[in-house]
Amino acid sequence: EAGVAQSPRYKIIEKRQSVAFWCNPISGHATLYWYQQILGQGPKLLIQFQNNGVVDDSQLPKDRFSAERLKGVDSTLKIQPAKLEDSAVYLCASSLDVQQETQYFGPGTRLLVL
Amino acid sequence: GDSVTQMEGPVTLSEEAFLTINCTYTATGYPSLFWYVQYPGEGLQLLLKATKADDKGSNKGFEATYRKETTSFHLEKGSVQVSDSAVYFCALSDSWSNSGYALNFGKGTSLLVTP
Repeated sequence: EAGVAQSPRYKIIEKRQSVAFWCNPISGHATLYWYQQILGQGPKLLIQFQNNGVVDDSQLPKDRFSAERLKGVDSTLKIQPAKLEDSAVYLCASSLDVQQETQYFGPGTRLLVL
Repeated sequence: GDSVTQMEGPVTLSEEAFLTINCTYTATGYPSLFWYVQYPGEGLQLLLKATKADDKGSNKGFEATYRKETTSFHLEKGSVQVSDSAVYFCALSDSWSNSGYALNFGKGTSLLVTP
């Protein structure tokens, strides 16, 4: 079974530029999560989707971050414009459905904002 | 709100030593508890979990028991190997919280095992 795929693996941009990350969850997984992991800290939830609907985006900085999962499969997370403090690893995870607690994580995208 | 506190690292042990990584939590409802591991250069992997009080999760020689009375979920292994060197994260999910089953992580504990 293929795991959660993410791209790109690494990205370096300058502040005020925009960037997008892509995630393809495990086939058949209805629930998709985006987490932000700042160096030295644990991952923090940004947004949770159930199919193509948002379950929780309370911790997403909506003035600069946006995310979508149009067809209930792939998802894209965008930052526009980026700030220095957005430097982090962005993790995508998926689970069978919202009540399945085991989440499977992708390798992450490491973002450096200069 | 819900939170997880785990011991600060880094933890350095010799091979075959006994490992304990402490984890305590606060939660609104009846959370499930997890240990995730992140090996160098790899993504997060579920190591073990427990879904109710007094449950013991175990995997690869690691164990943790869900202690409701002390709100703890300490990770233990009787004899560590060099290959166990990684960052270990304690986490909870609480369906009573606003974010449903999303994971709430501790800060992570780095473990280095030397030969």
